[in-house]
Amino acid sequence: GAGVSQSPSNKVTEKGKDVELRCDPISGHTALYWYRQSLGQGLEFLIYFQGNSAPDKSGLPSDRFSAERTGGSVSTLTIQRTQQEDSAVYLCASTTGPSGGNTQYFGPGTRLTVL
Amino acid sequence: RKEVEQDPGPFNVPEGATVAFNCTYSNSASQSFFWYRQDCRKEPKLLMSVYSSGNEDGRFTAQLNRASQYISLLIRDSKLSDSATYLCVVNTGFQKLVFGTGTRLLVSP
Repeated sequence: GAGVSQSPSNKVTEKGKDVELRCDPISGHTALYWYRQSLGQGLEFLIYFQGNSAPDKSGLPSDRFSAERTGGSVSTLTIQRTQQEDSAVYLCASTTGPSGGNTQYFGPGTRLTVL
Repeated sequence: RKEVEQDPGPFNVPEGATVAFNCTYSNSASQSFFWYRQDCRKEPKLLMSVYSSGNEDGRFTAQLNRASQYISLLIRDSKLSDSATYLCVVNTGFQKLVFGTGTRLLVSP
C-alpha cells in the first residue's frame, strides 16, 4: 500500500519568505509527527497530532513554526519568515496510534534550504 | 545531558565482522525502545524493537539493560548492505519518540 508521502521533496527559498510543507500519512493512521533533521544531527521532534486531540506543540522551536492537520489526515507545516538556521530535512511520520509500541513510518522528507 | 546518547562512529568493519553499538538513555521511566536504520539521504526505518528479555532477528540481536539504562545492538556477519546509520530510539511515555543522533556503520569488502 501507499506509504507516507511528503511534498515538495526539495524547497529552496529566500530568507524571510514563508514556506508550507505537506504530509500525507498512511490511510487510517491516527497519529502524525513532524521532525526535523539538520546535517549530522539527530531527529528533533516538532509536533504531534493524535486523532482529534489537541496537538502536542512542545517541540516547535519558535512561533514562526505552526502546523495543522485537516480532517485527521493531511498535515501542513508552515514556517514563517524563514531563517537560514531553518535549513534542514523535515520528516513526517505516521503511526496507527500512540507511539508506545507502534512503528513510526516516515515519509521521504522535504529538504529545505534557506538562502 | 542528552536524553539518548550514542557514539557517532563511524565504525569501520570488514565484511563478516561482528559489531556492537551501545546507547544510553537518561529517563528511567522510559517505556519502550527501538533501533531504526537510516540510509544516506533517506528516511529512518524501523529495524527492530528492543524487549527486556532481549530479542534476535536473523543476524541482529538487541538487548536492554534497564538497571544501567542502556540498549545494545549486535550485528553478526556484517554485510556491505548493513552500511547505514543506526538510530537508538526511546519512548519516554509521552507518546513521543526521542531519537539518538545515530551511529554510523561502514562495512568494507
